Amino acid sequence: GAVVSQHPSWVICKSGTSVKIECRSLDFQATTMFWYRQFPKQSLMLMATSNEGSKATYEQGVEKDKFLINHASLTLSTLTVTSAHPEDSSFYICSAIFSNQPQHFGDGTRLSIL
Amino acid sequence: AQTVTQSQPEMSVQEAETVTLSCTYDTSESDYYLFWYKQPPSRQMILVIRQEAYKQQNATENRFSVNFQKAAKSFSLKISDSQLGDAAMYFCAYRSAWSGGGADGLTFGKGTHLIIQP
Repeated sequence: GAVVSQHPSWVICKSGTSVKIECRSLDFQATTMFWYRQFPKQSLMLMATSNEGSKATYEQGVEKDKFLINHASLTLSTLTVTSAHPEDSSFYICSAIFSNQPQHFGDGTRLSIL
Repeated sequence: AQTVTQSQPEMSVQEAETVTLSCTYDTSESDYYLFWYKQPPSRQMILVIRQEAYKQQNATENRFSVNFQKAAKSFSLKISDSQLGDAAMYFCAYRSAWSGGGADGLTFGKGTHLIIQP
């Protein structure tokens, strides 16, 4: 089946640093990629939609200057959390989609900001 | 905006028994997709079952089946012959149908924690 690889799986860093998370579709060209955030014991919340070669569309309340998304190719999207602070600590998970197929999720990234 | 409601924070069922998880949603759209995802402690998101709104027939996948009531905006998941490996968080999700201008992300419910009693 379709595989989406997300890296890193866990990152711990100091407050004020920037963290980049990669999301790759390994065996298909994704027309769209999505980024979600999941706080402990809560549901997944869509942060942004990313289409190759165009600017990402952010959901209401998500700061685009804080969460930079780059979608340089049909198989790679990156999320950079800039100047991360403890409140940005969360589980970030990407998904990729081709046409009308169901979304395929990466394994997620656990981000801990000290 | 669409909303998805899962009114059962937690459900418990005996192994080999049947359990039904509830989900209701609100939308003004006529064409959309509904999903059930399973999230075990590893936090992987695993697709359990998918339903297209234009299809009247309820989707089934082995021990998993749905009761899709479009007029009532209800989409429940039935798990038959529950197994220990079914223990997980279950999320109901909604997605608008492909519009040609790009795909939409998923709107998730808050989830139901399913416990399987041996």
